[in-house]
Amino acid sequence: QITLKESGPTLVKPTQTLTLTCTFSGFSLSTSGVGVGWIRQPPGKALEWLALIYWDDDKRYSPSLKSRLTITKDTSKNQVVLTMTNMDPVDTATYYCAHRSAVAGGAFDIWGQGTMVTVSS
Amino acid sequence: QSALTQPASVSGSPGQSITISCTGTSSDVGSYNLVSWYQQHPGKAPKLMIYEGSKRPSGVSNRFSGSKSGNTASLTISGLQAEDEADYYCCSYAGSSTFYVVFGGGTKLTVL
Repeated sequence: QITLKESGPTLVKPTQTLTLTCTFSGFSLSTSGVGVGWIRQPPGKALEWLALIYWDDDKRYSPSLKSRLTITKDTSKNQVVLTMTNMDPVDTATYYCAHRSAVAGGAFDIWGQGTMVTVSS
Repeated sequence: QSALTQPASVSGSPGQSITISCTGTSSDVGSYNLVSWYQQHPGKAPKLMIYEGSKRPSGVSNRFSGSKSGNTASLTISGLQAEDEADYYCCSYAGSSTFYVVFGGGTKLTVL
């Protein structure tokens, strides 16, 4: 059974750097085709894809946020970390990590519960 | 990078069928057979309903079906039930030399 859980601060100040950790179980991020993605959702708004890291350490970023994002993985700890620099109140959102399926056309087939991050001074 | 275009809302009565469209471009929906659809109930995480345009994960009702024509993907829900009331999002891989992922703006389905 695949599970993912996001963790990190619930409140960050403007200009600070946000660091979120996705801790997962039930799969290995060294298995060919597997990936973990980050997606966020501002209150009352749509989903927005942020980043994706693959088993082979290939990394993909949202073109509009690429300069602010870094995604890394620690296969031994079953964790994926997302950092976002220069946080702004518009970055207030629920942040989800999700398992990128190797067999379901690269879809995000299992999602974490999400973690709400508020950006405010 | 632009979000895929979905209608803001659709509605239907129990037992009816509805279709939600997802319009992209030749750089995303039109280029990849990798459209997925997600259902999200209030306060919950999204749930995968359709992948590769028309395939259903195990456990998803066969009342949900997907298709694609050109740059537009569609999700059809037949035999509407009250529990289908939720937000629905389409998603596609995009780009060429440097690919990425793009979601639609979401559609609120109301079961009347």
